Amino acid sequence: EVQLVESGGGLVQPGRSLRLSCTGSGFSFGDYAMSWVRQAPGKGLEWVGFIRSKAYGGTTEYAASVQGRFTISRDDSESIAYLQMNSLKTEDTAVYYCTRVGGGYVHFDYWGQGTLVTVSS
Amino acid sequence: SSELTQDPAVSVALGQTVRITCQGDSLRSYYASWYQQKPGQAPVLVIYAKNTRPAGIPDRFSGSSSGSTASLTITGALAEDEADYYCNSRDSSGNVWVFGGGTKLTVL
Repeated sequence: EVQLVESGGGLVQPGRSLRLSCTGSGFSFGDYAMSWVRQAPGKGLEWVGFIRSKAYGGTTEYAASVQGRFTISRDDSESIAYLQMNSLKTEDTAVYYCTRVGGGYVHFDYWGQGTLVTVSS
Repeated sequence: SSELTQDPAVSVALGQTVRITCQGDSLRSYYASWYQQKPGQAPVLVIYAKNTRPAGIPDRFSGSSSGSTASLTITGALAEDEADYYCNSRDSSGNVWVFGGGTKLTVL
């Protein structure tokens, strides 16, 4: 059974940093691209960014709203994807979901339960 | 354009058919995928690659696409289908993804 478990969320002050982790199990983690999607309280889904598998260079893409502040990385030996969030703003407050990118890079086939990040002074 | 537009709310009578639409220029080049989200839960993929259902998704869910519009159809809606539905696709550049604003489906 494919499982994705996020961790690392919490309360952080504006301007500070936080790193989220996503641990995958039940599949060959290194064969898949991984993505992060967030949802502000009472709002819709917003794609944050993704990291390709090593077979496709392990490169990353980001939404304009987080470009230059957020970094996605991966440790395939531990089946973990990371979301490093720097220079956090109050508008980054959201539940952050880790997702697996399905074959063909056209959809997100599995989602974690999410971890809440609250940016507030 | 990097926007996907959905109607904010749609309602359907129990057992009837409802279509939820998603409009965006990128849909001329990329398939939409659809996600169901119930309160307090993570989204669940229900349709991808225009009209493919993941394992475990009932066949009352189907997808279609024409031009810049993608549609999710629920044939014979059940009370348990009441949820928020989001479409998603790559944007015109192909390097980033975008979500529609979501449609709240009410089953009457």
